[in-house]
Formats: sequence, C-alpha cells, structure tokens
Amino acid sequence: ETGVTQTPRHLVMGMTNKKSLKCEQHLGHNAMYWYKQSAKKPLELMFVYSLEERVENNSVPSRFSPECPNSSHLFLHLHTLQPEDSALYLCASSLKTGPYGTDTQYFGPGTRLTVL
Amino acid sequence: GDSVTQMEGPVTLSEEAFLTINCTYTATGYPSLFWYVQYPGEGLQLLLKATKADDKGSNKGFEATYRKETTSFHLEKGSVQVSDSAVYFCALQGGAQKLVFGQGTRLTINP
Repeated sequence: ETGVTQTPRHLVMGMTNKKSLKCEQHLGHNAMYWYKQSAKKPLELMFVYSLEERVENNSVPSRFSPECPNSSHLFLHLHTLQPEDSALYLCASSLKTGPYGTDTQYFGPGTRLTVL
Repeated sequence: GDSVTQMEGPVTLSEEAFLTINCTYTATGYPSLFWYVQYPGEGLQLLLKATKADDKGSNKGFEATYRKETTSFHLEKGSVQVSDSAVYFCALQGGAQKLVFGQGTRLTINP
C-alpha cells in the first residue's frame, strides 16, 4: 500500500531539537489528518486540513506546528518536545464528498518518534 | 458525545478458530462504521466498512453487520490464520465527519 507515505519511519530527537515529519498522499484526496497513537491510549486526532485550510486543532500544544502547502503534502514541525510526546504519529487522508457523505480515511505507516 | 466500545483484549485463539470481536457504539444520527487493522510496526489499514443499517461489510474473510437496533458492529471471521494477528480498531464517523475510535483489541493467533 503506497497511497499514503510518511517519512521518516523512525525518529529519535532530543528535547531541544527541531525536526519535521512529512506525509504525502497519492490518492487525489482533499483532506489530510495528523493523529497521535500512544501506548494504552485511544488514537488522538491532532489536526485536520480540508482543501489546505486547517479546520480542526484539538488543543494540541504549540510545540507541534502543522503545515499543509498543497492537497498532497502535510508536515508536522516539532520543536522543544517532551519525553511524553514519544508516540507513533499517523497521517491520514480522505476525499471529502460533502457534509452528508461517508469520508473514508486512509492511513500511512506512521513515524515512530522517541524524545530523549 | 459519540463513542465506541470494544471488547477488551488481548484475545488469543488457535489457528482455524472462529473469531468475534465485539463493538458497540453511541452516536446521534446515522453514523458510518469501520473496522481498521494495525499489523505490528505498521499504520492502520481499512479492513471493512458499512454506511447504513443492515449493511454488511466484508473483506479478507472478515465480516461485520451494522445493527442499528443493538448499536453494534461486531467483527467475525470463520477461520483465523496466524497472519491475522494484529490490533483491530472499531470506529464510527458521525455527523461532524470525525472518526471516533475504540481502544483497540489485540488479537494473537497461535499455530
């Protein structure tokens, strides 16, 4: 499955580093999402972009900064993270068909982030 | 608000056993329902979905029927294989088109 790709697959960073996660979708979708998956917690929706406009920000700390330059690419810029931010970060995309349609999300393989 | 409850894992079965993973939901309106699977070290893959009551989603031998009267979407497979070992997530998409996930059920199949 290469519809949604994420790089890097693994990242180790110190608390003072700045890094970026990249997501790319090849499905012709118009919405993209960032999720955080921590051990023993449900998936947490972080950000939603629809037609390159941020439409949702679920009280995510400012040390996470998303960027969506076009409908195919999504970034998550990271700076001064904390050890509790270590998790699997998943990107997803979907084709929004209107307010009443089913909006199936397709996920990338994730970036496993470890903050030391 | 909308919510999804899955049976607690982990679930351990022998190869060729029958599988059921229970999923119930709470939602206003008429949500769409999904099962996603996460294999070790990978992201989530869509397994199947159903968009209205009495619909049956199916894929790779797995099935789930959208039961509005019991607000359930239980996942079943008649004969599991070792390669089915993974974490399974039930999810709903409600009126706001947000995906709401259950906590996941870890399934291990022994040869």
